[in-house]
Amino acid sequence: EVQLLESGGNSVQPGGSLRLSCVASGFTFSGQFMTWVRQAPGQGLEWVSSIYNDGSATYYADSVKGRFTISRDNPKNTLYLQMNSLRVEDTALYYCVKGAFHPDYWGQGTLVTVSS
Amino acid sequence: DVVMTQSPLSLPVTLGQPASISCRSSQSLVHSDGNTYLSWFHQRPGQSPRRLIYKVSNRDSGVPDRFSGSGSGTEFTLRITRMEAEDVGVYYCMQGIHWPRTFGQGTKVEI
Repeated sequence: EVQLLESGGNSVQPGGSLRLSCVASGFTFSGQFMTWVRQAPGQGLEWVSSIYNDGSATYYADSVKGRFTISRDNPKNTLYLQMNSLRVEDTALYYCVKGAFHPDYWGQGTLVTVSS
Repeated sequence: DVVMTQSPLSLPVTLGQPASISCRSSQSLVHSDGNTYLSWFHQRPGQSPRRLIYKVSNRDSGVPDRFSGSGSGTEFTLRITRMEAEDVGVYYCMQGIHWPRTFGQGTKVEI
């Protein structure tokens, strides 16, 4: 059974930093693109970032480029999202998602709140 | 960026009746590998999204056969043959060929 368990969400002030983690199980993690998708309160889905199987290629939404960094540790089956210079508009539930062409499994999400 | 436009954005439905959601992309979603990477997701209130359909018309395991996807190029449709109470929620289309990936705005389906 595929499981994606996110953690690291918290409340932070604007300009602060957070690192999200996602521990994956139930599939060959090193063989899959992985993705972060976020959902602001009451809003739709927004793709944030994806990373290739071995981490050699990364992709970002313009809204986070230069502030967020996606990475992975394949031996630990773990996906990360380092978020710096956080803004109020980054407030959202952040989902870890398996795949990037037609993503299939989603975690339960971890909540990031940016507020002064 | 590829813009995904869904319609309608709100869809009142009647139990047992059919429903249809349209998704239009601003660019072709046909990959050089011959596949068309258009997926449909369903999100119930308070839950994570669940994929229903991938590559336009392939239904995921466990998805009832009352759900079907069709379309090509830039025009796609999700159809529900007979609405059931568990089908309420928000439906999203997503393109998986161009960077950045993009979702439709979502269609809220309610009884």
